[in-house]
Amino acid sequence: GQQLNQSPQSMFIQEGEDVSMNCTSSSIFNTWLWYKQDPGEGPVLLIALYKAGELTSNGRLTAQFGITRKDSFLNISASIPSDVGIYFCAGRGSEKLVFGKGTKLTVNP
Amino acid sequence: DAMVIQNPRYQVTQFGKPVTLSCSQTLNHNVMYWYQQKSSQAPKLLFHYYDKDFNNEADTPDNFQSRRPNTSFCFLDIRSPGLGDAAMYLCATSSDPRDRDTQYFGPGTRLTVL
Repeated sequence: GQQLNQSPQSMFIQEGEDVSMNCTSSSIFNTWLWYKQDPGEGPVLLIALYKAGELTSNGRLTAQFGITRKDSFLNISASIPSDVGIYFCAGRGSEKLVFGKGTKLTVNP
Repeated sequence: DAMVIQNPRYQVTQFGKPVTLSCSQTLNHNVMYWYQQKSSQAPKLLFHYYDKDFNNEADTPDNFQSRRPNTSFCFLDIRSPGLGDAAMYLCATSSDPRDRDTQYFGPGTRLTVL
């Protein structure tokens, strides 16, 4: 089946730094979604991407749908303590929505 | 605000005692999903309903069942919970899985099995 490789697995950064994480696949996807999950809560949709090359921002967050349709990245600019959490990418191709294993972000004040 | 609601947020049950988790949505979406998420892992799809059509994942144990009495509500029944079923259970909805399948999640129910 379709699989996603999400990296890095974890990140430790200082407040104010920019962050970048990405997901890659050997399969082509038609939709890329980025979620943030806080401890004990459900994933919250941050950004949805539907077209190859699409670049979308949501406040300090920016995500892009790769031209090859096999990858996507998420950037967070000027990180703040509340950015702490686990970020999941998810891709939808010909089968069901597939999730990456998540990037755990820690922000030191 | 349109949303996905899960009740209860925390559920404790005994080994082997049936339990039902509830999900409701005000998004009027056609599709409702149930996921199981264990610590530090990605959500794992158990099954979904597209309108009234039930779609089970091949590796979902028979111990897990679901009901969708109407568009707004969907239930997850665990017939005989084992210790390995302790997890966060997430409900999600989308308008059409064949199109963009943008899924919106509820806050989850944390299940503890004693």
